[in-house]
Amino acid sequence: NAGVTQTPKFQVLKTGQSMTLQCAQDMNHEYMSWYRQDPGMGLRLIHYSVGAGITDQGEVPNGYNVSRSTTEDFPLRLLSAAPSQTSVYFCASSLLGGNQPQHFGDGTRLSIL
Amino acid sequence: GENVEQHPSTLSVQEGDSAVIKCTYSDSASNYFPWYKQELGKRPQLIIDIRSNVGEKKDQRIAVTLNKTAKHFSLHITETQPEDSAVYFCAASNNTDKLIFGTGTRLQVFP
Repeated sequence: NAGVTQTPKFQVLKTGQSMTLQCAQDMNHEYMSWYRQDPGMGLRLIHYSVGAGITDQGEVPNGYNVSRSTTEDFPLRLLSAAPSQTSVYFCASSLLGGNQPQHFGDGTRLSIL
Repeated sequence: GENVEQHPSTLSVQEGDSAVIKCTYSDSASNYFPWYKQELGKRPQLIIDIRSNVGEKKDQRIAVTLNKTAKHFSLHITETQPEDSAVYFCAASNNTDKLIFGTGTRLQVFP
């Protein structure tokens, strides 16, 4: 089992560019989520999904889109990158929900110039 | 929505001393309270969790206590070691969807 795999590990974008952060898990987990981590602000929930075809907003969803077409994959899209989106992004998954142990990926460090 | 506050933001202790990190939550319906440890440059990893039907849980040198009435929970690390140095996050969830984290505590254990 690879667990939760995030790609890329590092990315630099220019303001206004778009990109997709990939997240895949091979544990047959129903629940997946995206967090961003900024100094002094902890882990803030962006979007989450309780199963294929179902997504919902977290604490800081503006500027991000998600989809969940399969159980394994949960990509995060930045439509028009802004410097305020410079952060470390973590994907996590659990068997059934937010009230269960979360397995995190290694993170994607994203810089917006 | 749920709001989780965590204190202190930094904590320095001498090796062998105890460390306590405290969190409060706002949603009285929250029923799951995990703690994650994040070493520098690494992913957060679960170290212990507690559910609302339990007041205390221990795992070797780590313990978590929960006071539902006051809506706060705490992480206790005894006999601290240099390898305990990391950032610790508390979190709370009231059902199967959102898991909300605190802002983290940077623990430094000095030899």
